[in-house]
Amino acid sequence: EAQVTQNPRYLITVTGKKLTVTCSQNMNHEYMSWYRQDPGLGLRQIYYSMNVEVTDKGDVPEGYKVSRKEKRNFPLILESPSPNQTSLYFCASSLTTGWGEAFFGQGTRLTVV
Amino acid sequence: TQLLEQSPQFLSIQEGENLTVYCNSSSVFSSLQWYRQEPGEGPVLLVTVVTGGEVKKLKRLTFQFGDARKDSSLHITAAQTGDTGLYLCAGAVYPPGGTSYGKLTFGQGTILTVHP
Repeated sequence: EAQVTQNPRYLITVTGKKLTVTCSQNMNHEYMSWYRQDPGLGLRQIYYSMNVEVTDKGDVPEGYKVSRKEKRNFPLILESPSPNQTSLYFCASSLTTGWGEAFFGQGTRLTVV
Repeated sequence: TQLLEQSPQFLSIQEGENLTVYCNSSSVFSSLQWYRQEPGEGPVLLVTVVTGGEVKKLKRLTFQFGDARKDSSLHITAAQTGDTGLYLCAGAVYPPGGTSYGKLTFGQGTILTVHP
């Protein structure tokens, strides 16, 4: 089954404690991206990757890092989480470009206290 | 920066009613996508419209792309409780050359609640 898998689904952490949210897709998609979803703001892109070892900033990259060492994986790293990063995070992948159909993971609800 | 404004933000209706959700921008988009998101899940693509004036139908859902490709609408006929969810529009601009990076810009979403 074609899917994008995120882990964990839920995470509560304390300010400053480094964390990683994993994302994996099994569709051989080149393009992957991370979004955060906040009430009234829709989905805002954090980072995206056009292929292995190619990543770039989206609209709200501050406080986040990503890496793309393999085509299927695109982890999101919060080196020093802060309460304003409490949000619902989605990973998405598309076949080739950023505007094709985006397949989303089920989301990770992160709470930073 | 391209912005997409969706309206209304909230819509609460009775089963059987009709409704329309709007997605507007001052920018021209190469294509417009509509997604539906249920609680606890990621958004799922409903439709993509690419031609100005294009109308697409998906059972009781009708999607229209404005002639100037700056706006779009989603019309649901005879809403059902299963239509409840968050509806998101997303616009894309294709850069010259056609194969380089393009980005999806999402609207804020419309939360639809259909009561039995």
